[in-house]
Amino acid sequence: ETVLTQSPGTLSLSPGERATLSCRASQSVSGNQLAWYQQKVGQAPSLIIYDASRRATGVPPRFSGSGSGTEFTLTISTLEPEDFAVYYCHQYGASPLTFGGGTEVEIK
Amino acid sequence: EVQLMESGGKLLQPGESLGLSCEASGFSLRNYGMTWVRQGPGKGLEWVSHISGGGGATYYGDSVKGRFTVSRDNSKNTLYLQMNNLRAEDTAVYYCARSRTDSVLNDLDYWGQGTLVTVSS
Repeated sequence: ETVLTQSPGTLSLSPGERATLSCRASQSVSGNQLAWYQQKVGQAPSLIIYDASRRATGVPPRFSGSGSGTEFTLTISTLEPEDFAVYYCHQYGASPLTFGGGTEVEIK
Repeated sequence: EVQLMESGGKLLQPGESLGLSCEASGFSLRNYGMTWVRQGPGKGLEWVSHISGGGGATYYGDSVKGRFTVSRDNSKNTLYLQMNNLRAEDTAVYYCARSRTDSVLNDLDYWGQGTLVTVSS
């Protein structure tokens, strides 16, 4: 099973700042099949990035994904008020599919 | 508009059984694999099960294997999860999600709002 470790656990930032979230895999993720989801309080997760760097439909360009192998990054270039949420990485390169433990981006 | 709507969650005792449903609209269910993901109270996401578009291939996480069964009725645009011998650790919000293609190895591009299952004595 591929274990995903996200860091930091919590990121305290102000609107307008840049957010950098990390996801490290215990083994190489096949085909860079890694996604990022955003989850707001009381809501279901929603897809932001898939295949490590492709933005999902309707996702604004301030969100970008990068990385390969075992190291992946989600960057939010300029935080908007609606971006404060929990973010999960997810690998689907091998079964069982696994998720990281999440990074909470909170308002400083 | 793609929509997924789960139902069936309730409070049960350990050892009991429960069936969940997920009704899909806005797309042809038969063309997509479907996945169940759960989230325990205050916890992260856990992949539970996947079923291929035609229903011929199913996959389960180790924690539910042998107790949960996923199925689908494409004519009714509905996905199911039968959960037997429930344990306290199965307490979670259960989400159904659409896989981008038929394969189990996919991201999840649409999610339902979830249904809460609570297992407690």
